[in-house]
Amino acid sequence: DTGVSQDPRHKITKRGQNVTFRCDPISEHNRLYWYRQTLGQGPEFLTYFQNEAQLEKSRLLSDRFSAERPKGSFSTLEIQRTEQGDSAMYLCASSLLAGEKLFFGSGTQLSVL
Amino acid sequence: GQQLNQSPQSMFIQEGEDVSMNCTSSSIFNTWLWYKQDPGEGPVLLIALYKAGELTSNGRLTAQFGITRKDSFLNISASIPSDVGIYFCAGQLGGAQKLVFGQGTRLTINP
Repeated sequence: DTGVSQDPRHKITKRGQNVTFRCDPISEHNRLYWYRQTLGQGPEFLTYFQNEAQLEKSRLLSDRFSAERPKGSFSTLEIQRTEQGDSAMYLCASSLLAGEKLFFGSGTQLSVL
Repeated sequence: GQQLNQSPQSMFIQEGEDVSMNCTSSSIFNTWLWYKQDPGEGPVLLIALYKAGELTSNGRLTAQFGITRKDSFLNISASIPSDVGIYFCAGQLGGAQKLVFGQGTRLTINP
């Protein structure tokens, strides 16, 4: 069990650029979650996958955001035409079963200049 | 938006003191989880609670799932410097897969 892995750990980009983050969940976990966390706040839910199916998306996930989990293993989160308000920590988590505890990765800190 | 009210927002204590923090909600939750987060890192799971009234310990940490299923508390006994960080409660609503997080309690320990 190597834990949830996220890459990159930090990303600095200019406004208007596209960015993509990757998450590798714990290997036997079929549920994968993306959260966003801004300074001084708790994580906020963005979207959730069960295997390769994206089952729920938050209203926070605007049209500029897209997430995929093509083979039910790793996932990517892409933000197009980044805005300064997108600056945040993007966290990935995974769980084995519904209702089970979520294990988080170390996050990707995005700074949009 | 957030549906959990976590208090206090911050605590400043002396090393060796006991700590208590809690989380309340207007909604009924099926699961309560407590996480600790260090700067620049993701939240680390401390304790998971699955039944109303459940009291669970993890070393010096003890957490309880409230009888009404609308609240939970976390106690830390005999605090040590490595307890410094931000503690989050999180609840899972019935039928929903996602967790809802509180705003966090920032713990600072004076040596």
